Amino acid sequence: NAGVMQNPRHLVRRRGQEARLRCSPMKGHSHVYWYRQLPEEGLKFMVYLQKENIIDESGMPKERFSAEFPKEGPSILRIQQVVRGDSAAYFCASSPESGTTYEQYFGPGTRLTVT
Amino acid sequence: GQQVMQIPQYQHVQEGEDFTTYCNSSTTLSNIQWYKQRPGGHPVFLIQLVKSGEVKKQKRLTFQFGEAKKNSSLHITATQTTDVGTYFCAGNDYKLSFGAGTTVTVRA
Repeated sequence: NAGVMQNPRHLVRRRGQEARLRCSPMKGHSHVYWYRQLPEEGLKFMVYLQKENIIDESGMPKERFSAEFPKEGPSILRIQQVVRGDSAAYFCASSPESGTTYEQYFGPGTRLTVT
Repeated sequence: GQQVMQIPQYQHVQEGEDFTTYCNSSTTLSNIQWYKQRPGGHPVFLIQLVKSGEVKKQKRLTFQFGEAKKNSSLHITATQTTDVGTYFCAGNDYKLSFGAGTTVTVRA
């Protein structure tokens, strides 16, 4: 059983470039969550998606950030015109259902470095 | 939204000793989850507590949920080097509200 998969594991971008982070949830999971972790901090919720729907994007910066979870293929977190402050670890998690009683399974993360 | 705070931020423990990390929420939680993240790794689910006053044990780890469902604790006995990592509590409101974590280092 493959777990949550994320790629790339490490991504280096220059300021102003675009970053695309991919997440494939566990088999059978249709709920995807993205979190950002700055060094020595906890994880901050960014966005919650189901297939073809953004359910909650309250943690996502209003500009430059977007997320999608198409009918086919992985979920994508897209950061346009990256700045140094975007350097962080981005984790994707998935669950079989939504609700307060389901644990979330995390992927290995994408470490983004903006130079 | 939920605000979850954890103390202490860092815990340096002598191998074999016990320690406790605490989690406090500004609001009543429907449930609380605990995760462990090894250095350079990703969060791994440990346990979920749902009921007021609930206590659950996993080998040397004891998890407790407060009566008012606003706080929780994790107690580790006889700390081992394998316990190194950061322990996060998270309120689960379908999206997880993580505390800042307690980073544990162990002196052999």
